[in-house]
Amino acid sequence: EAGVVQSPRYKIIEKKQPVAFWCNPISGHNTLYWYLQNLGQGPELLIRYENEEAVDDSQLPKDRFSAERLKGVDSTLKIQPAELGDSAVYLCASSLGVTSNTGELFFGEGSRLTVL
Amino acid sequence: TQLLEQSPQFLSIQEGENLTVYCNSSSVFSSLQWYRQEPGEGPVLLVTVVTGGEVKKLKRLTFQFGDARKDSSLHITAAQPGDTGLYLCAGAGGGTYKYIFGTGTRLKVLA
Repeated sequence: EAGVVQSPRYKIIEKKQPVAFWCNPISGHNTLYWYLQNLGQGPELLIRYENEEAVDDSQLPKDRFSAERLKGVDSTLKIQPAELGDSAVYLCASSLGVTSNTGELFFGEGSRLTVL
Repeated sequence: TQLLEQSPQFLSIQEGENLTVYCNSSSVFSSLQWYRQEPGEGPVLLVTVVTGGEVKKLKRLTFQFGDARKDSSLHITAAQPGDTGLYLCAGAGGGTYKYIFGTGTRLKVLA
């Protein structure tokens, strides 16, 4: 079974440019998370979806960040315009949510963003 | 804002030594997880604990959840170079699946 797939793996852009990241969760996983991770630090939650509904987006900087999960499967995270401080790894994770015994989050390999 | 503080932040030890990583919070968690992350990859789950005072063992790793469910520890016996990585605790409260991650502990085990 395929794991969580993210693309692109790496992206280098100039500041003020837009960027988008895509995530395909594990089939059947209703819960999807986007995290931001700076080097050597723990992931910080940006947004959590239950199916197509964003149930927690309190940490998402809504002036420049947006996310969607159409049809409750794939998800995209967009930044417009990007700032230097947005350079980080953007991690997508999925889980079975309420039907999981362990609450395990399955992560993709991440999308590393560099803003110049 | 991180609600889970891990200590130490960095740890470099020789192969065969023992170590303990701590995860502390002022919040109560309904479940707490430990993950390990290697460079260029996403975190991978090691264990989930849900009961205050619970102890779980995974080969040379021992995980403990505090009685008040506010803290946890990870103890590694006879560390090996393959244990090198970033160790992360993650807690969820109120029966939700909103997992907040700790600040991370970077472990390096030297051969």
